[in-house]
Amino acid sequence: EIVLTQSPGTLSLSPGERATLSCRASQSVRSSYLAWYQQKPGQAPRLLIYGASSRATGIPDRFSGSGSGTDFTLTISRLEPEDVAVYYCQQYGSSPQTFGQGTKVEIK
Amino acid sequence: EVQVLESGGGLVQPGGSLRLSCAASGFTFSNYAMSWVRQAPWKGLEWVSSISGSSGSTYYADSVKGRFTISRDNSKNTLYLQMNSLRAEDTAVYYCAKSSGYTYAYDYWGQGTLVTVSS
Repeated sequence: EIVLTQSPGTLSLSPGERATLSCRASQSVRSSYLAWYQQKPGQAPRLLIYGASSRATGIPDRFSGSGSGTDFTLTISRLEPEDVAVYYCQQYGSSPQTFGQGTKVEIK
Repeated sequence: EVQVLESGGGLVQPGGSLRLSCAASGFTFSNYAMSWVRQAPWKGLEWVSSISGSSGSTYYADSVKGRFTISRDNSKNTLYLQMNSLRAEDTAVYYCAKSSGYTYAYDYWGQGTLVTVSS
């Protein structure tokens, strides 16, 4: 099973700042089958990024994904108040698919 | 508009059974794999089970294998999860999720249904 470790656990930034979230896999993720989700309190997760770097439909371009192999990054270029949420990475290239433990993004 | 709506959650005693349903609309249901993903209170996301569009293939997390059964009725655009021998650690919000294309990135999620296993 591929274990995904996300860091940091919590990220506290001011509006307009750049947020960099990390997802590290215990083994190489096949074909960059890595997704990122945003989950706001009381809501279901929302797909942001799939295939490591492709934005899902309707996702603002301030969200971007990068990486390959075992190291992946989600970047929010200019943090907005509505970006307060927990962000999860998911690998779906190997069975069982797995999720990271999440990174909480807060606004200072 | 794509919609997925779960139902069937509730309070059940340890060792009991429950069947969850997920009604889908707004897309050609039989063309897409579907999955159940759960989230224990104040915890992260955990994949539970998936089924291919034709029901030809099913997959389970080790934690539920032999106790849970995933199925679908493409004529009713509905996904199911039969949960038997429930344990306290199965307590969670259960989400129904639609796969995007040929991969298991989930582009649509329901709002979830809460399953509580307690005596």
